[in-house]
Amino acid sequence: DQQVKQNSPSLSVQEGRISILNCDYTNSMFDYFLWYKKYPAEGPTFLISISSIKDKNEDGRFTVFLNKSAKHLSLHIVPSQPGDSAVYFCAASVSYNTDKLIFGTGTRLQVFP
Amino acid sequence: NAGVTQTPKFRVLKTGQSMTLLCAQDMNHEYMYWYRQDPGMGLRLIHYSVGEGTTAKGEVPDGYNVSRLKKQNFLLGLESAAPSQTSVYFCASSARDTEAFFGQGTRLTVV
Repeated sequence: DQQVKQNSPSLSVQEGRISILNCDYTNSMFDYFLWYKKYPAEGPTFLISISSIKDKNEDGRFTVFLNKSAKHLSLHIVPSQPGDSAVYFCAASVSYNTDKLIFGTGTRLQVFP
Repeated sequence: NAGVTQTPKFRVLKTGQSMTLLCAQDMNHEYMYWYRQDPGMGLRLIHYSVGEGTTAKGEVPDGYNVSRLKKQNFLLGLESAAPSQTSVYFCASSARDTEAFFGQGTRLTVV
């Protein structure tokens, strides 16, 4: 039973355009959400997070939106750059318990010139 | 600044062999974790530790043991390796209730 789902295994976007990566969750107790980026042969690196008391969090080109009623979050990257090409994982937890992070399966983003 | 360092980076084991994966962090983090990543699946938590001398089971602990004798080190052991344990293993560390920092991973193949 996948509690955190990333239904798009891959996404291809032209440089300069917006990339939108989606994530759905089933556990209504989740209240802390994170996005990680992973390059090949490297470990995941933290990108941005959002708590359930907010519906938007922005950091430079990256914005995460949370829709609690739909149990859906999305990561927007504007403008997309070739260096953004990576696998993106969303993760969720209950009450900021990072020892209970549940990860999605990842979406591979390719940004082409 | 090394962050989280995992050794080895690659390893091939025969079924039934044992090995220990080493993880070291230099950020003075209390929490440390071991995850595995398999194709088509997200990272799944094997074991974790919330402080020196403590360990706890994660989502997929069977077939693995861990030890946290020193705050900066977290060891993952496979007593009798099985082909199902072929995976990429990631160690991570974090301060309390903050984002985790990951190592580069260990690619383990069990034949």
